[in-house]
Amino acid sequence: DGGITQSPKYLFRKEGQNVTLSCEQNLNHDAMYWYRQDPGQGLRLIYYSQIVNDFQKGDIAEGYSVSREKKESFPLTVTSAQKNPTAFYLCASIAGEADTQYFGPGTRLTVL
Amino acid sequence: RKEVEQDPGPFNVPEGATVAFNCTYSNSASQSFFWYRQDCRKEPKLLMSVYSSGNEDGRFTAQLNRASQYISLLIRDSKLSDSATYLCVVDRGSTLGRLYFGRGTQLTVWP
Repeated sequence: DGGITQSPKYLFRKEGQNVTLSCEQNLNHDAMYWYRQDPGQGLRLIYYSQIVNDFQKGDIAEGYSVSREKKESFPLTVTSAQKNPTAFYLCASIAGEADTQYFGPGTRLTVL
Repeated sequence: RKEVEQDPGPFNVPEGATVAFNCTYSNSASQSFFWYRQDCRKEPKLLMSVYSSGNEDGRFTAQLNRASQYISLLIRDSKLSDSATYLCVVDRGSTLGRLYFGRGTQLTVWP
């Protein structure tokens, strides 16, 4: 089955630690996106990548970093510089000229 | 002004009711419009794209008014399974695939 996978589903982190969230897709999609969602809020764009080895900051990139070494993978690192990292993190991808984004199941990050 | 604005609700309706959600967007250059559905603690899933001529998918009808920068979603004959949050989504008019998401409108259908 084609799709987007994210792992882990739940993640707990101590303050001051970096943590990496995984996002993998086997849809052969070119562009991939990372969002965060806070309760009662819309999705906010963190980073996106339209091709391998290239990525762009979104609206709230501070405290986050990404890489895109393979088309299938777009991991997100939440660094200790992120002041309020507890949130629901969603990865999405899109094919070619279409605008429709498809989402992975998300990772719920809690900072203790 | 927010890029996409929705009434957060909640809307509480009985089964069989008709319910309408509205959304306004600020970027007149936007070209693509969508309604996504998000169940509690799950990822958003595409419900339907919205076309200028309006479109229908079973019990769901979406309308777009470009002049007023307004999008609507009508759900007829509501089912219990329609209970979810409905997200209005609009493209940014520039970089491919960059979307603005509304906060969502929460719907609860009761028996």
